[in-house]
Amino acid sequence: NAGVMQNPRHLVRRRGQEARLRCSPMKGHSHVYWYRQLPEEGLKFMVYLQKENIIDESGMPKERFSAEFPKEGPSILRIQQVVRGDSAAYFCASSPEDRPPGANVLTFGAGSRLTVL
Amino acid sequence: AQTVTQSQPEMSVQEAETVTLSCTYDTSESDYYLFWYKQPPSRQMILVIRQEAYKQQNATENRFSVNFQKAATSFRLKISDSQLGDAAMYFCASPNTGANSKLTFGKGITLSVRP
Repeated sequence: NAGVMQNPRHLVRRRGQEARLRCSPMKGHSHVYWYRQLPEEGLKFMVYLQKENIIDESGMPKERFSAEFPKEGPSILRIQQVVRGDSAAYFCASSPEDRPPGANVLTFGAGSRLTVL
Repeated sequence: AQTVTQSQPEMSVQEAETVTLSCTYDTSESDYYLFWYKQPPSRQMILVIRQEAYKQQNATENRFSVNFQKAATSFRLKISDSQLGDAAMYFCASPNTGANSKLTFGKGITLSVRP
C-alpha cells in the first residue's frame, strides 16, 4: 500500500505561471482533501472532493485556484497566474467513506512545496 | 467557525522525561473526534492519537496519551519517556461542525527534546 502520493515534491514557478499539483489517494480511499500550510502556520483547509464531485470548497480562494478529482487519475490542485503569496506547502489527504462523519483518520501525503519567484 | 487553539508555540523536554502539550477547541457538536498529528522535519503529517468525545476513557497509544476534558473543551497530549525522535511540530485538530472529516488545525507547537 503506497499511501497518499503527491507530486511534485518541489515546484518552482515564476509569477504569472501556472502550478499543477497532483495527488493519488490511498487505495480504497474515495475522499480527498487539500490543505495549505504557510511557514510557521498550521494547515488550512482548502477543498474536499469525492470522485467527480467537489463537496466543500469553502477554503479555496475565489480566484485562480481550482481542484478536480476525475473518475480516473489523480486529484489535481491548479493555481493559475501564481503570485508570491501562493508560496507554501500544499498537502493532500485521503480517507475512506465517511462513516460516521468526522471519525475517519486522514492519511496525508508528504506535501508539495511551491515556491514562486 | 471552528477554532482550535494551541497557545504554547514552543516547548522543550529532557530525554526520558514527560511533557504535556495543550490544546483547546470549540464545537457545538455532542459527538466528535479529536486528533493530534505530528510533523517531523520531513514535513510528513503523521497521526499520533485520536480521541472519541463520547468516550470517557482517555485514548492511549504506547507512550502517548490524552488528557481529555470535554466540559472544558481541553485536549492535552502527554508524551512519556520522551525520545529524540519525538522532536517535531505537533498539531491538534478537530473536525468542523457536522462536516465530514474536514479538519481544523491549531497553529502547532514545536517540541524539542534535549539529550
